[in-house]
Amino acid sequence: QGQLVQSGDEVKKPGASVKVSCKASGYTFTNYGINWVRQAPGQGLAWMGWISARDGNTKYAQNLQGRVTMTTDTSTTTAYMELKTLTSDDTAVYYCARLKSDAFDVWGQGTLVTVSS
Amino acid sequence: DIRMTQSPSSLSASVGDRVTITCRASQTISNFLNWYQQKPGKAPKLLIYRASTLQSGVPSRFSGSGSGTDFALTISSLQPEDFATYYCQQSHSTPLIFGGGTKVEI
Repeated sequence: QGQLVQSGDEVKKPGASVKVSCKASGYTFTNYGINWVRQAPGQGLAWMGWISARDGNTKYAQNLQGRVTMTTDTSTTTAYMELKTLTSDDTAVYYCARLKSDAFDVWGQGTLVTVSS
Repeated sequence: DIRMTQSPSSLSASVGDRVTITCRASQTISNFLNWYQQKPGKAPKLLIYRASTLQSGVPSRFSGSGSGTDFALTISSLQPEDFATYYCQQSHSTPLIFGGGTKVEI
């Protein structure tokens, strides 16, 4: 069925970077893409981007272009999302999710990133 | 970008009620429409994909309909565990936008 396990919560200062990991298990990692979604406190879901676990192709949300980088390590079946130049507006829970049949069928448990001075 | 408009933003209902949530896309998306349920402090859960296909393990009281620009999620008989927030999402083209959410309350 598949499982995604994310790294732990983070607290960062404005201007810093954060890198969140998403470890996949229970399925063939390179058969599916990984998407990243974030949710600010009390707000809805916002798609951040997608990476192909097969060839590393990426697509990012336009409002994050230049600040976000998504990568994968097929040897460890882990996806990563790095976000740079953090501001308080980046405080959110960050989720990874597997893309299957054009939907996000498996989700990580979420990683809270708090940006505060 | 495709915009997704969900309505209502919240609703009050009782156990046993039939509930319908609608989602409208700003342009045609064929059947590339998904529905998710999210409970407080938890990750979203896929309920319906490609407008009307029930995800494995999801109770049959959930159903999806629509194509083109207008879609609906129906819960035929609301159960206590269904009180949550529901999101639609288009997967026709990037960015994969979500609707604003519908909070279903008692």
